[in-house]
Amino acid sequence: KNEVEQSPQNLTAQEGEFITINCSYSVGISALHWLQQHPGGGIVSLFMLSSGKKKHGRLIATINIQEKHSSLHITASHPRDSAVYICAAEPNTGNQFYFGTGTSLTVIP
Amino acid sequence: NAGVTQTPKFQVLKTGQSMTLQCAQDMNHNSMYWYRQDPGMGLRLIYYSASEGTTDKGEVPNGYNVSRLNKREFSLRLESAAPSQTSVYFCASSEYGGPGGYGYTFGSGTRLTVV
Repeated sequence: KNEVEQSPQNLTAQEGEFITINCSYSVGISALHWLQQHPGGGIVSLFMLSSGKKKHGRLIATINIQEKHSSLHITASHPRDSAVYICAAEPNTGNQFYFGTGTSLTVIP
Repeated sequence: NAGVTQTPKFQVLKTGQSMTLQCAQDMNHNSMYWYRQDPGMGLRLIYYSASEGTTDKGEVPNGYNVSRLNKREFSLRLESAAPSQTSVYFCASSEYGGPGGYGYTFGSGTRLTVV
């Protein structure tokens, strides 16, 4: 049983396309996080959300607490956006974060 | 600004050998974590240290031990490596618990193969 589910698992897009990655979670959370892992393996924190929407450059993250769902959008996608995007749920209690298995995004020039 | 430094980056061990993965952070963070990442699975917490002097088990602690040597350093030890421990290991640190924001930073990972 996975507390965090992501979809799709793999995504290929043409440069310039609008991309959406979805994350659903089943636990009560204090925050939902989006991480980016590049092919070299390094992991970077993108967003931490507890409500509403956040934007950073071409990246937008939204969360619907009632539906236990979050989305990561990339506008005007670029090959350098190719990476694995990981959703992680920070539960209300305890120190065990729940990670999704990631969405592998490839943006083709 | 090194952030979180992990060593080594790559390691091959024979079954039964022991080794220690080193992790150091220079951000004065209180909390440090060790994760493993396996294909088709999300990051899984092995051990964490909420503050200097404390360590706690995560989701998959069996076969591992940790030491929070001081506020900067948090090491992970495999006493008798097994092929099931072949994985990519990530160290992370944060000001407080949380995998994103509030200064949560990952190391670059250690790719460990046990043969």
